[in-house]
Amino acid sequence: EVQLEESGGGLVQSGGSLRLSCAASGFSFSDHFMDWVRQAPGKGLEWVGRIRKKSDSYSTEYAASVKGRFTISRDDSKSSLFLQMNSLKIEDTAMYYCARVPAGWGGDESWGQGTLVIVSS
Amino acid sequence: DIQLTQSPSSLSASVGDRVTITCRASLGISKNLAWFQQRAGEAPKSLIYTASILQSGVPSKFSGSGSGTEFTLTISSLQPEDFATYYCQQYNTYPLTFGGGTKVGIK
Repeated sequence: EVQLEESGGGLVQSGGSLRLSCAASGFSFSDHFMDWVRQAPGKGLEWVGRIRKKSDSYSTEYAASVKGRFTISRDDSKSSLFLQMNSLKIEDTAMYYCARVPAGWGGDESWGQGTLVIVSS
Repeated sequence: DIQLTQSPSSLSASVGDRVTITCRASLGISKNLAWFQQRAGEAPKSLIYTASILQSGVPSKFSGSGSGTEFTLTISSLQPEDFATYYCQQYNTYPLTFGGGTKVGIK
């Protein structure tokens, strides 16, 4: 069974930094692209970014709203995904989900339960 | 960026009703569209991918259709567990984008 467990959320001041983690189990982590998706309180879903596999040089893609501030990385030896968030803004307040990209299509197939990030002024 | 417009944004329906949700893309995305269900307080759950392929374990009362710029999600007979918010997602072009969501409520 695919399991994804996010951690690292919390309360942080505007301008601060936070690092989120996602522990994966139940599948071959290194074989999959991985995404971060967020959801502001009471709002819809927003794709944050993606990291590809080793064979794709761990290349990344980002939403314009976070590019230059957020960095996605992964540690395949620990089946872990990370999201380093710098220069946080109040509008980054959201539940952050990690999601597995399946081999057969390019969206977000399996999701964790999320970790909440609150950015205060 | 490709914009996805879902309609309606909300609807009220009764148990047993047939419900159809539309997702329109600002540019053609072939069949690179997925549908998700999100119940209150839960993470999204994948229902359909490639516009019409049912995710493993998803009941057949859910169906999807469309290609290019217009897509639909249909629930053939609404059950209490189906009252939720539904989102479409395009994965044809970066950045991936989601529709604004359709909240299905109880009439």
